[in-house]
Amino acid sequence: GAVVSQHPSWVICKSGTSVKIECRSLDFQATTMFWYRQFPKQSLMLMATSNEGSKATYEQGVEKDKFLINHASLTLSTLTVTSAHPEDSSFYICSARDARESTDTQYFGPGTRLTVL
Amino acid sequence: KQEVTQIPAALSVPEGENLVLNCSFTDSAIYNLQWFRQDPGKGLTSLLLIQSSQREQTSGRLNASLDKSSGRSTLYIAASQPGDSATYLCAVSISGNTPLVFGKGTRLSVIA
Repeated sequence: GAVVSQHPSWVICKSGTSVKIECRSLDFQATTMFWYRQFPKQSLMLMATSNEGSKATYEQGVEKDKFLINHASLTLSTLTVTSAHPEDSSFYICSARDARESTDTQYFGPGTRLTVL
Repeated sequence: KQEVTQIPAALSVPEGENLVLNCSFTDSAIYNLQWFRQDPGKGLTSLLLIQSSQREQTSGRLNASLDKSSGRSTLYIAASQPGDSATYLCAVSISGNTPLVFGKGTRLSVIA
């Protein structure tokens, strides 16, 4: 099956710094990628839909100026958490849709655990 | 707005038991339904995907059924093993290019 990677797998940063998380589709092109956030013992909640070559679509309650998404190529989307604060500590997971498959399967990255001190 | 509910929230069983995890969704107009496994601190592993036109899918000891009209799916795990201990997530999509809506999961513990 298709593979999606995320980098870094974990990051610890000081409050006020910015953190960039990369999501790559390794063996397929993805015009659409999704970014989810998962707080401890909670389910995954969609943050935004990342579309190649256009602006991301954010879910209600997600600050677009704080969570910057760039989908500059068909294999890479980045999520930048700007001026991170402790409440942004979470598990961030991306998914990419492999349009070649008739089932339109979405493949998930392994996630990035962000801890803001 | 689509909502996905999973029952029970947690389940503990002795090794060897057969068990059923339940998932329900409020809007029956789904495109497909997926079951995932998530180990603590890890990402998602896709277990089974059922298209809206299908009734069930099987993989090894796992069997997932879908009753679209009633908005329900079940994941059946046969002869459970300690290695099955994880959180199981159910998710639905309304089209091929839309994000998934997840339930909160069922935390399964299989005791040796």
